[in-house]
Amino acid sequence: DIQMTQSPSSLSASVGDRVTITCRASQGINNCLAWFQQKPGQAPRSLIYAASSLQSGVPSKFRGSGSGTDYTLTITNLQPEDFATYYCQQYDAYPLTFGGGTKVEIK
Amino acid sequence: VQLVQSGAEMKKPGSSVKVSCTTSGDSFSNYAVSWVRQAPGQGLEWMGSIIPVFGTTVHAPNFQDRVRITTDGSTYTAYMEMSSLRLDDTAVYYCARGDFGANLYYFDSWGQGSLVTVSS
Repeated sequence: DIQMTQSPSSLSASVGDRVTITCRASQGINNCLAWFQQKPGQAPRSLIYAASSLQSGVPSKFRGSGSGTDYTLTITNLQPEDFATYYCQQYDAYPLTFGGGTKVEIK
Repeated sequence: VQLVQSGAEMKKPGSSVKVSCTTSGDSFSNYAVSWVRQAPGQGLEWMGSIIPVFGTTVHAPNFQDRVRITTDGSTYTAYMEMSSLRLDDTAVYYCARGDFGANLYYFDSWGQGSLVTVSS
């Protein structure tokens, strides 16, 4: 199985900040990497696929990058609605696997 | 895109549960449907997927023996049935639509989730 390791597991940031979340795969995943946002009590929301492509309707403040085994999600100009938990997920091989999540909290 | 799931369920240990996920005809015909669960306070765990147009299914090893994923093409509905329920199967179960990428598929839409509570 491909293990997905996210870091940090949580972070505190202020409104207007830029934050970066890292996701490392245990083997190369050919940019088959997606990012999701989840708020308490809600279903996940798809943000990015193919490492850097934005899902329809997702603002450009969310940016994905990376290749090989290392990927990042950067969120610029953090707003109150961006405070949530973020997950990465690989879809290069079965079983599909998720990172453990990064909780972005208000400082 | 809307994926509408069935409501919350309360089950006894050892019993079975069947959760449904209804979508549109286009979503049903041209995409994969996956099931993902989330135990209380925990992360996301992929359980398995079905490609309705082919009827093919794949399961995560942890769920291979207890989960059955099926579809009803007449109602554009996917089902996830789990047997031999245990207390630690208490979770929110999500369906997600998968769009085909370079390899496999990525989730682009999610159902609202169905809470399954297993309690004696």
